[in-house]
Amino acid sequence: DAGITQSPRYKITETGRQVTLMCHQTWSHSYMFWYRQDLGHGLRLIYYSAAADITDKGEVPDGYVVSRSKTENFPLTLESATRSQTSVYFCASSRLAFSSYNEQFFGPGTRLTVL
Amino acid sequence: DAKTTQPNSMESNEEEPVHLPCNHSTISGTDYIHWYRQLPSQGPEYVIHGLTSNVNNRMASLAIAEDRKSSTLILHRATLRDAAVYYCILRREYGNKLVFGAGTILRVKS
Repeated sequence: DAGITQSPRYKITETGRQVTLMCHQTWSHSYMFWYRQDLGHGLRLIYYSAAADITDKGEVPDGYVVSRSKTENFPLTLESATRSQTSVYFCASSRLAFSSYNEQFFGPGTRLTVL
Repeated sequence: DAKTTQPNSMESNEEEPVHLPCNHSTISGTDYIHWYRQLPSQGPEYVIHGLTSNVNNRMASLAIAEDRKSSTLILHRATLRDAAVYYCILRREYGNKLVFGAGTILRVKS
């Protein structure tokens, strides 16, 4: 199916474990983003990528690692999960940025619980 | 990034128009005003954007003050499916990042 998908949709893990959240888009969008959403903080940008092999930090990157070997995939890894990383994670994508439009398309989210 | 200020929540009756305000007094000349909304248990979705002139699309209208220090998102006939958090975001012309504030929770009563 076309669009942007995230997996898993729900994940429960334990403190200290490594967790990888997957994001896949079928539009060949250049830009991809990872956000986390917590009560009281709204959506905050973790990392973003302008193209394959190009990534940059957002507002809250600590504790996360990203990679982008293929345009369509942008996995987010929590190397050693902590309880403070319990959150809902959203992936998004958008076209190359030479337009005032640049709509971001969001995935359905992954609800992560760290025990 | 310039900041926006929105009311925490608003309530509307079904089938009536809704005016969602946003203040952005520090907006710069190259900032576009974008609106996104987030339905319950979903990711945000784009609603509309504009620079200076009022804008209309199938979802909503955007009215921008002449001095650009405020704007209003207008839903012409609210439905129960419009109940969501609405975010007003300033974005540079060629920028890609979105900075989300707390948004306005819109409740629609039947």
